[in-house]
Amino acid sequence: GAGVSQSPSNKVTEKGKDVELRCDPISGHTALYWYRQSLGQGLEFLIYFQGNSAPDKSGLPSDRFSAERTGGSVSTLTIQRTQQEDSAVYLCASWGGDHYEQYFGPGTRLTVT
Amino acid sequence: EDQVTQSPEALRLQEGESSSLNCSYTVSGLRGLFWYRQDPGKGPEFLFTLYSAGEEKEKERLKATLTKKESFLHITAPKPEDSATYLCAVQVAGTALIFGKGTTLSVSS
Repeated sequence: GAGVSQSPSNKVTEKGKDVELRCDPISGHTALYWYRQSLGQGLEFLIYFQGNSAPDKSGLPSDRFSAERTGGSVSTLTIQRTQQEDSAVYLCASWGGDHYEQYFGPGTRLTVT
Repeated sequence: EDQVTQSPEALRLQEGESSSLNCSYTVSGLRGLFWYRQDPGKGPEFLFTLYSAGEEKEKERLKATLTKKESFLHITAPKPEDSATYLCAVQVAGTALIFGKGTTLSVSS
C-alpha cells in the first residue's frame, strides 16, 4: 500500500477486556515497530520485528502485552485484561527498502474505561 | 543509559521569526538521528535522517544539523502551517528509535 495503515482508529473498551490492534506496514518493508504515546509523554518503544528474526520484546510493559507478525507483513498487538493506564495512542511504524527512514501509521487511540 | 532531550518544550513564534529547536543526546553507537513532525491526532511524519557529525539537510523552511552531542532544527521565516510538535529520535545499533518528548511549535500570523 501507499503507507502504513492501522485499525481501528479509535477503540473504547472496559477495564479487564482484551483488545487487538492491527497494523498493515508498507509493502516490502522488513522491519515493523510498535510504540505507545501517552498524553504529554514521548513515544515509548514496545516491540520490534525484523524479518524472520525473533522479535525484540524488551519494551513491552507487562506480560499482558503481546504481538505477532504473520507472513512477515500484518502485525497484531494484543493487550489482555486492559487497565486504565493502558489508555494511549498506539503507533505502528515500518522500515525497509533503500532509504533509512521509518514511516508511521496514524495510530489507534485506545481508551480504557 | 541512552537518552534524548529536546528543548524548549514549547516555542511560540511570530510569522517570519526564525528560531531553532534543540535535540541533545547521550547514546553509544549512534546509527542515525531522525526528525519528525507530528500534527494533533496524527502519526509522526518523517522529515530528516542525519548520520554523522557535520551533516546538514534542508527541506523548505527547515534545516537540520548534527554534531557529536546534539542536533538543531532551524526554522527560517516560519508560517502558521509550520505549527506542530517536532520530535527528535536516535537509533543505536540493533534497537528501535529512542524519542525525545518533543517541542511544540506555535506560529502566529
